[in-house]
Amino acid sequence: DAEITQSPRHKITETGRQVTLACHQTWNHNNMFWYRQDLGHGLRLIHYSYGVQDTNKGEVSDGYSVSRSNTEDLPLTLESAASSQTSVYFCASSALAGVNEQFFGPGTRLTVL
Amino acid sequence: GQQVMQIPQYQHVQEGEDFTTYCNSSTTLSNIQWYKQRPGGHPVFLIQLVKSGEVKKQKRLTFQFGEAKKNSSLHITATQTTDVGTYFCAVSGGYQKVTFGTGTKLQVIP
Repeated sequence: DAEITQSPRHKITETGRQVTLACHQTWNHNNMFWYRQDLGHGLRLIHYSYGVQDTNKGEVSDGYSVSRSNTEDLPLTLESAASSQTSVYFCASSALAGVNEQFFGPGTRLTVL
Repeated sequence: GQQVMQIPQYQHVQEGEDFTTYCNSSTTLSNIQWYKQRPGGHPVFLIQLVKSGEVKKQKRLTFQFGEAKKNSSLHITATQTTDVGTYFCAVSGGYQKVTFGTGTKLQVIP
């Protein structure tokens, strides 16, 4: 069965360190998204991609970067982790056409100390 | 970007009572999606509404899109403990991406 996975599921890091969160989908979806979820803010879009070599900034992109070298993966990098980036991170994907239902990964809980 | 307000933020109901959450926008929406997130889980797509005045049902869940396409509601009849979770609406925020509401957290008291 097709799926979307994230790793690690939990991560503790220190302020200033570079952190990369992995997202891998086997739906063969063109669209991939990264969100962060914080209490009271719902899901906020960090970055998204419509296909290989395409990346776009979302509403809360400062301090984050992504790259899309293939269809399956969209890793999210925190260049220099800050305590404000402590959050739960969700990756999602959707098909190019039709109902753009988003399929979410299980999430990564990141703590920056 | 597209803004959407979702109310209430929290709702506690006795098992068997009904529940409704509302999503409101100041602008006309092209479509609206609803997702459910169980505690500790990830959001799961429930439905998409596209047409003005559209009403769709999934068992005890009824979804409605307003006539002016500026608001939507999700109504659950006779809640069960399995309905516990946070319900999000999501509106089109541009080509192929959506903006999520802040969610309504539902707690069902047995």
